[in-house]
Amino acid sequence: DVKVTQSSRYLVKRTGEKVFLECVQDMDHENMFWYRQDPGLGLRLIYFSYDVKMKEKGDIPEGYSVSREKKERFSLILESASTNQTSMYLCASSFGTGGWPQHFGDGTRLSIL
Amino acid sequence: GENVEQHPSTLSVQEGDSAVIKCTYSDSASNYFPWYKQELGKGPQLIIDIRSNVGEKKDQRIAVTLNKTAKHFSLHITETQPEDSAVYFCAASIWRTGANNLFFGTGTRLTVIP
Repeated sequence: DVKVTQSSRYLVKRTGEKVFLECVQDMDHENMFWYRQDPGLGLRLIYFSYDVKMKEKGDIPEGYSVSREKKERFSLILESASTNQTSMYLCASSFGTGGWPQHFGDGTRLSIL
Repeated sequence: GENVEQHPSTLSVQEGDSAVIKCTYSDSASNYFPWYKQELGKGPQLIIDIRSNVGEKKDQRIAVTLNKTAKHFSLHITETQPEDSAVYFCAASIWRTGANNLFFGTGTRLTVIP
């Protein structure tokens, strides 16, 4: 089975802090994704990466950046956390050019105080 | 970009009854339509998917139908059980530079009453 592991289940940070969310997958997948999940809004794509050191903006990239130095690891960075970034963050990965299906981790619930 | 609408937002059914969740999409270039189930405290898990060259797909009690002309697709769960209670998301796939991206509906909270 595909395993997508997010390093923290719950995280509490302060406004203005730099925050790192880590995601690791064990299936040698080319593609990795970061989503944000908010009630009533579904899942929205923040950034994705289709290869090491490659990154593309999703639908809501403002206030975020990403890093992919190794194929198995994809990091989401909140440069200066704000309260409106309090949310559930989900990482996913998928195989190949087609990229179907995406497999998700269990999420990191991030609170910014 | 793609816009996916999902209805209803909540659905309650008696155990053993059927449940139907409907989604519409806007971009005719969408070519892959997965359905995910999310249980409390877990990430979304793929339960069934369908490609645009297929009209219907079944897997035991779960089926998905796709009408490309009308741009809508539906999830059908028959003989519902309490463990089917969860939030269900539909999605449509569009190609962006480097990979297919998923655009999600806003979710349906299904409650199966024993």
